[in-house]
Amino acid sequence: GESVGLHLPTLSVQEGDNSIINCAYSNSASDYFIWYKQESGKGPQFIIDIRSNMDKRQGQRVTVLLNKTVKHLSLQIAATQPGDSAVYFCAENTQGAQKLVFGQGTRLTINP
Amino acid sequence: DAGVIQSPRHEVTEMGQEVTLRCKPISGHDYLFWYRQTMMRGLELLIYFNNNVPIDDSGMPEDRFSAKMPNASFSTLKIQPSEPRDSAVYFCASSPGQGRTDTQYFGPGTRLTVL
Repeated sequence: GESVGLHLPTLSVQEGDNSIINCAYSNSASDYFIWYKQESGKGPQFIIDIRSNMDKRQGQRVTVLLNKTVKHLSLQIAATQPGDSAVYFCAENTQGAQKLVFGQGTRLTINP
Repeated sequence: DAGVIQSPRHEVTEMGQEVTLRCKPISGHDYLFWYRQTMMRGLELLIYFNNNVPIDDSGMPEDRFSAKMPNASFSTLKIQPSEPRDSAVYFCASSPGQGRTDTQYFGPGTRLTVL
């Protein structure tokens, strides 16, 4: 029979509102973090990254915040649009290591 | 830049058949990664290469899976024999390496269905 799949956390927001997607990481040695966006039927797409010597980085309509004290990462999307609907993954790695460790993802749904 | 290219985009095969997935990384990238994504297990790293050499294959499920990278612009992931539990979306990704950035860029994936 069908296996039970991952239960992705889901965030629903109204179009035009701001979204905040959170991610906790466990490895205190991680020093590089990336947010990916995956739309249905597509591969993960790079959005924004941040290194551990920063606590905030801004892109176009997106901001990533890093709190190393509590090992927490967040992605803020301003003025969400229907095209922002996707699953968002955080990923981390340690300097010199090429393997990224991915979170389970958060599904963002934009309501009209 | 064309990005990471994967083929085929969809593959439907019968249990026991050999399946070969192909990947062309972004030109100039030194690292190539193969991932598998399922609803059950999420995104899993299978193997990665640096300058065409396999570095870590600890994620390869079993001996039925093998990956090669004969040159800097081509890699294959082979499953022989395939089983229904291999059904998943397989992604290839590449990254520049050499201290430039660790960002991995993903291809569109190959959706594999094993009947």
